Amino acid sequence: KNEVEQSPQNLTAQEGEFITINCSYSVGISALHWLQQHPGGGIVSLFMLSSGKKKHGRLIATINIQEKHSSLHITASHPRDSAVYICAATSGTYKYIFGTGTRLKVLA
Amino acid sequence: GAVVSQHPSRVICKSGTSVKIECRSLDFQATTMFWYRQFPKKSLMLMATSNEGSKATYEQGVEKDKFLINHASLTLSTLTVTSAHPEDSSFYICSADGPGGGGLPYNEQFFGPGTRLTVL
Repeated sequence: KNEVEQSPQNLTAQEGEFITINCSYSVGISALHWLQQHPGGGIVSLFMLSSGKKKHGRLIATINIQEKHSSLHITASHPRDSAVYICAATSGTYKYIFGTGTRLKVLA
Repeated sequence: GAVVSQHPSRVICKSGTSVKIECRSLDFQATTMFWYRQFPKKSLMLMATSNEGSKATYEQGVEKDKFLINHASLTLSTLTVTSAHPEDSSFYICSADGPGGGGLPYNEQFFGPGTRLTVL
């Protein structure tokens, strides 16, 4: 079992839908990261959080330390949100422990 | 802020040649840079961690003599794939330890756009 699990693995949504991607982890963490990998391969760091909730534009990330769970929400989804979303944990070191990624496709 | 560049973005080479990939932090200094390899539809695999001015730390199973890493300055790390073979064809991504300030014990990594290597 991976130390960081994501669900779903694949997700197709219609433009405008509210999207939720889940991440569960089994290790103690110092921080939880959400990354976006574009079809061309580039990776953008979306959020780094250790507690509570962060919001940036249409993206919201939450974390529940007790339940070892984090969610990434996308409101009013758009085709340009189509990408692979990766959850990663840092656990006492600088190394990222990556989830397997969620491939999101938003249809117009 | 916190932009990382990689060069080249794409390279095709013949088997047996060496290829150098550069990773630069453009607007911040990075004491630590990371090199990853990614296979199609798979997650990132950490190859090595490089610290400015010292030898890189390689992950288990990564050949040091094949993947030479140099971190000569606080803004530049290079990965050289020596005597490349078709099985080295992959997507290579670097990241840099960010400038910090988030109040957390470890910094956020900022990723380069990646280099797609094809060895014929």
